[in-house]
Amino acid sequence: DTGVSQNPRHKITKRGQNVTFRCDPISEHNRLYWYRQTLGQGPEFLTYFQNEAQLEKSRLLSDRFSAERPKGSFSTLEIQRTEQGDSAMYLCASSLYRQSNSPLHFGNGTRLTVT
Amino acid sequence: GEDVEQSLFLSVREGDSSVINCTYTDSSSTYLYWYKQEPGAGLQLLTYIFSNMDMKQDQRLTVLLNKKDKHLSLRIADTQTGDSAIYFCAESIRGGADGLTFGKGTHLIIQP
Repeated sequence: DTGVSQNPRHKITKRGQNVTFRCDPISEHNRLYWYRQTLGQGPEFLTYFQNEAQLEKSRLLSDRFSAERPKGSFSTLEIQRTEQGDSAMYLCASSLYRQSNSPLHFGNGTRLTVT
Repeated sequence: GEDVEQSLFLSVREGDSSVINCTYTDSSSTYLYWYKQEPGAGLQLLTYIFSNMDMKQDQRLTVLLNKKDKHLSLRIADTQTGDSAIYFCAESIRGGADGLTFGKGTHLIIQP
């Protein structure tokens, strides 16, 4: 089964450090999404790509957050100068976008703890 | 705007049916989804319904959509201990192309 894969599963970092997470989508999926989930909340949409193009990034939480998908396959999410409020689960999802419904398939997430 | 509301907890006895409810506000939603999340895991797609449908059944799962009232429900028949999880309702516009808006999730608690 080649589902959505995220690495690392857990990341502990000190405030002020930069972190980068990786997402490998389902291979034939052309869309890739990043979400953040804090305790007791549903996932919150951050950004998404169609192939290598980032089609929506206005909901990234601040200019410390950036995402790339350079070859239209895997993606990375980087958080610079981490803050304690960045502690959360970061979820990646992918879908095959055509003209009709394209359900999102999620990975198991990367849990970030900022100390 | 977009807003999805769910009750935070539901407790049912093993073997009974569970009904998880959700209301949404965006009348232009085209698809509505139910996802399941177990502790420490990502979200598992359970089922979805297109906005021009009233009902969808998939094995033990039945989804009912009342578009007039913007109300969505998920019924799980013969609830088992393995169904214990958080269930998220999510709405989308354009088939989720621009992301989904999720509710806060309903914790389903199974009593023996």
